[in-house]
Amino acid sequence: GAVVSQHPSWVICKSGTSVKIECRSLDFQATTMFWYRQFPKQSLMLMATSNEGSKATYEQGVEKDKFLINHASLTLSTLTVTSAHPEDSSFYICSARDGHSYGYTFGSGTRLTVV
Amino acid sequence: GNSVTQMEGPVTLSEEAFLTINCTYTATGYPSLFWYVQYPGEGLQLLLKATKADDKGSNKGFEATYRKETTSFHLEKGSVQVSDSAVYFCALSDQAGGGNKLTFGTGTQLKVEL
Repeated sequence: GAVVSQHPSWVICKSGTSVKIECRSLDFQATTMFWYRQFPKQSLMLMATSNEGSKATYEQGVEKDKFLINHASLTLSTLTVTSAHPEDSSFYICSARDGHSYGYTFGSGTRLTVV
Repeated sequence: GNSVTQMEGPVTLSEEAFLTINCTYTATGYPSLFWYVQYPGEGLQLLLKATKADDKGSNKGFEATYRKETTSFHLEKGSVQVSDSAVYFCALSDQAGGGNKLTFGTGTQLKVEL
């Protein structure tokens, strides 16, 4: 079946630095990728939707200059948390939508801890 | 707008007990409905889905029927196992009202004990 690879699975960084998270669709072309943030014991909050080759669409309240999303190819999207602060610590999950089957496949998530 | 409402957890059951997790939805158009499962520290896995009214999704002993008249998609399993312990999310995709993104419920944690 469809597989989405998300890396790293966990990362610890110092406050003020930037962190990049990658999301790759391994065996299908992802026309649309989604980035979510999940707080402990809470549901997924959609941060942004990105279509290959175009700018990401951010949800209300999400700072686009802080959470940079790039979807340069049909198999790769990246989320960069710029100038990270402790409040950015969270679990980030990507999801890719197959342009043919319209199914949604999720990555395994990235645990970001900012110290 | 679109929304999904799930029963609050945690739900604690003994092994082999019957499981029901309620899910109701509000949507503009004719949504597709999903159940996802999340194990600790992991991403989400699709458990089952239904794309139109009266469809029944099923997988690994879990079932859910798309009920348009009650706008519901309740998850059921006849006999749960300890390995079913996880968080379950109900979700919908409504092309007409929400574009191609998923709208999630708040999740229901299931704990199955021996």
